[in-house]
Amino acid sequence: GENVEQHPSTLSVQEGDSAVIKCTYSDSASNYFPWYKQELGKRPQLIIDIRSNVGEKKDQRIAVTLNKTAKHFSLHITETQPEDSAVYFCAVSSARQLTFGSGTQLTVLP
Amino acid sequence: DAMVIQNPRYQVTQFGKPVTLSCSQTLNHNVMYWYQQKSSQAPKLLFHYYDKDFNNEADTPDNFQSRRPNTSFCFLDIRSPGLGDAAMYLCATSRGRGDYEQYFGPGTRLTVT
Repeated sequence: GENVEQHPSTLSVQEGDSAVIKCTYSDSASNYFPWYKQELGKRPQLIIDIRSNVGEKKDQRIAVTLNKTAKHFSLHITETQPEDSAVYFCAVSSARQLTFGSGTQLTVLP
Repeated sequence: DAMVIQNPRYQVTQFGKPVTLSCSQTLNHNVMYWYQQKSSQAPKLLFHYYDKDFNNEADTPDNFQSRRPNTSFCFLDIRSPGLGDAAMYLCATSRGRGDYEQYFGPGTRLTVT
């Protein structure tokens, strides 16, 4: 089955700095790569996703890049704000299901 | 608003006492998923329904069962909860399998005493 590795497990940045979270995957047939944000005690919420026919996607302060050859993708958050503090999960979709990374606890220090 | 609803939000059950968690959706999505999420871990897929077709994950314990009586509702039954089953249970839906966005419900926090 699919194997997804996510790094780092924790990340602290100063408010206004950028944050980058990276994921690698094993199944070259995977074609959909969402990122979820989960605040404490709340549901995971999709913040951005990318499909295999696209190399980069941006939505305001959030961007995702995908390198299909190397089988890795990254989440980039610019101009971080305290409300960006949460756990972020990458995920990889095969034909039947999503496989989640282990999560990154992002803390934005004021 | 179209959404995924889970009831109850908090459930306390006794060790070994059967419990049922429910999920409903107004999105008319074909696929409904049940995930188990323990503290500081990623959601772990237990099983999913594609329409009426039930798909169990290989490592889901037999203690966990599911029913989907119609498109809108899906239930998670835990036949004999153990202390290790205490977790957040998340229901999610999607239009299809594969590269479709999954919409998560708010979750049910299960405590086993």
